[in-house]
Amino acid sequence: ETGVTQTPRHLVMGMTNKKSLKCEQHLGHNAMYWYKQSAKKPLELMFVYNFKEQTENNSVPSRFSPECPNSSHLFLHLHTLQPEDSALYLCASSRGTSGSSYNEQFFGPGTRLTVL
Amino acid sequence: GENVEQHPSTLSVQEGDSAVIKCTYSDSASNYFPWYKQELGKGPQLIIDIRSNVGEKKDQRIAVTLNKTAKHFSLHITETQPEDSAVYFCAASGSSNTGKLIFGQGTTLQVKP
Repeated sequence: ETGVTQTPRHLVMGMTNKKSLKCEQHLGHNAMYWYKQSAKKPLELMFVYNFKEQTENNSVPSRFSPECPNSSHLFLHLHTLQPEDSALYLCASSRGTSGSSYNEQFFGPGTRLTVL
Repeated sequence: GENVEQHPSTLSVQEGDSAVIKCTYSDSASNYFPWYKQELGKGPQLIIDIRSNVGEKKDQRIAVTLNKTAKHFSLHITETQPEDSAVYFCAASGSSNTGKLIFGQGTTLQVKP
């Protein structure tokens, strides 16, 4: 286990539903990330939080709303999603955000989301 | 914009052979290049990384080389084993220091026993 847990592991929702994805890290890290992984596409960074502050929003549509109440927890609130939003959503955490082995990103197992 | 190209998309080798995966990045400001391995049903896991002030790094059977002038970096796996079968991703750090990584498209490596 990487020390990063995600719930639920699988989620099926309709386009009018509202749901939330949860991520928790037990590593004492300060930075947390949301990524989207679609078939035949590279991992796409969605959001970065460092010390609970959002430091990166990679032009993500407003139907995805992140929340970071503390350095250990990260949520992704979903509403009025589209079928093309179906993907694996990965959470990651790191000590800090500068590029180095010290700030290695540890990934959770992901939530497989299907939007009908 | 920032972009990382990764080749090949699939690679099949015989157990014991070597495997090489190549990446090219676009942002000359990138200074950190990690490689991740993703097994089925799991998130990506870092296997090796390199910073721009180093040309080569080795860890047992895996090695990474970086040509900063050409903006190329490669992963080399020697004496491949069936448990090396997975999807491998290269990545390059974004120009800002926000932790942003730009990932390649991934390479599915199959090691045949």
